[in-house]
Amino acid sequence: AQSVTQLDSQVPVFEEAPVELRCNYSSSVSVYLFWYVQYPNQGLQLLLKYLSGSTLVKGINGFEAEFNKSQTSFHLRKPSVHISDTAEYFCAVTPRGNTGFQKLVFGTGTRLLVSP
Amino acid sequence: GAVVSQHPSRVICKSGTSVKIECRSLDFQATTMFWYRQFPKKSLMLMATSNEGSKATYEQGVEKDKFLINHASLTLSTLTVTSAHPEDSSFYICSARDFRTQGAHQPQHFGDGTRLSIL
Repeated sequence: AQSVTQLDSQVPVFEEAPVELRCNYSSSVSVYLFWYVQYPNQGLQLLLKYLSGSTLVKGINGFEAEFNKSQTSFHLRKPSVHISDTAEYFCAVTPRGNTGFQKLVFGTGTRLLVSP
Repeated sequence: GAVVSQHPSRVICKSGTSVKIECRSLDFQATTMFWYRQFPKKSLMLMATSNEGSKATYEQGVEKDKFLINHASLTLSTLTVTSAHPEDSSFYICSARDFRTQGAHQPQHFGDGTRLSIL
């Protein structure tokens, strides 16, 4: 089984400041990792994903995340945030596999609050 | 890009009524769709996996008679909350995967959710 921990329920930050949203996971098998963003009253949009290869993954809207296998972490970062980045961010994992559907396991989310 | 349309976006109804929520994949076909429930300030909880042409697979603790799922075509899945009560009030989100894509790494495409309020 897998579990995902997002320790920070809310992260306040000023506009143009850097931000890091933390994600740690637990799994007995290798996983794929994802970050999703949810704007108010909307579904989820994929920001980025880690499958294999380079541990630094770049996504949309200037976000990036780094996979650290030894620390079982996949922290999300952005060097300079905008007001429009205010949203809920979810880290998720799914077991590696080539066929079929594998369940996405989500963390509890981190609300990023960007103020002027 | 892949678009998933969910309807209605918001519904308010009286206790005891049944509510149907539709999830459509607009520009791709989806043999598998998923239904999630999201409580305030909580994560998404997978309720069930909807498979085209067959019965849905429900997660442990989810009442299949309460939450009826039908996936009659490759582009449409419906979730019916039967005899809804205030405790069923929540944000319900569907997602879908393009049937042409294989592998667990392929992303799910999410609808914009349905806010269900039972009075």
